[in-house]
Amino acid sequence: EPEVTQTPSHQVTQMGQEVILRCVPISNHLYFYWYRQILGQKVEFLVSFYNNEISEKSEIFDDQFSVERPDGSNFTLKIRSTKLEDSAMYFCASSHEVGGASYNEQFFGPGTRLTVL
Amino acid sequence: RKEVEQDPGPFNVPEGATVAFNCTYSNSASQSFFWYRQDCRKEPKLLMSVYSSGNEDGRFTAQLNRASQYISLLIRDSKLSDSATYLCAVSNNNDMRFGAGTRLTVKP
Repeated sequence: EPEVTQTPSHQVTQMGQEVILRCVPISNHLYFYWYRQILGQKVEFLVSFYNNEISEKSEIFDDQFSVERPDGSNFTLKIRSTKLEDSAMYFCASSHEVGGASYNEQFFGPGTRLTVL
Repeated sequence: RKEVEQDPGPFNVPEGATVAFNCTYSNSASQSFFWYRQDCRKEPKLLMSVYSSGNEDGRFTAQLNRASQYISLLIRDSKLSDSATYLCAVSNNNDMRFGAGTRLTVKP
């Protein structure tokens, strides 16, 4: 069964450094998403991406965040200058099969745990 | 008011019990509704979508009440493997918001 993959599984960085989190969405999906989950808290929507541009973004997704689909398979989240409070699990998700039903069922990757020191 | 609200639990039930979770949402324009389960330190896994007419998948039944902005999940004949956190999710276009989750522990 196709699945979303994410790398790395764990990233440790120093405050102020830039990080890039990588995702390979399900290959025939059209929409891509990033979420974060701070330890012990709820899953929070960051951004959705369709047709090479941002479709929706939350109030969390400020200027320090950016997303990109650099090639036909990868989808990345860049955090420009990490803060301590960026420490969280970051989940990528994808939805909407090409030619399939338009129902928005999102499938999640295993996450990248980001630790900012 | 929180966008998506759930009873945090925990619910501790014996094997074989029936358990129900509730969820309310604040955005009346919401279009899509889901239940996910999340095991400790793992990703959310889609359990089922929730349709207006209500839907069932084996031991799981989901209901939607748009007028009351309320979603429910019923688990019948609960198994030890059902122990997890159950997340309600509500979407408008491609902006999906999760509840904080309800923790379920099924005991032998």
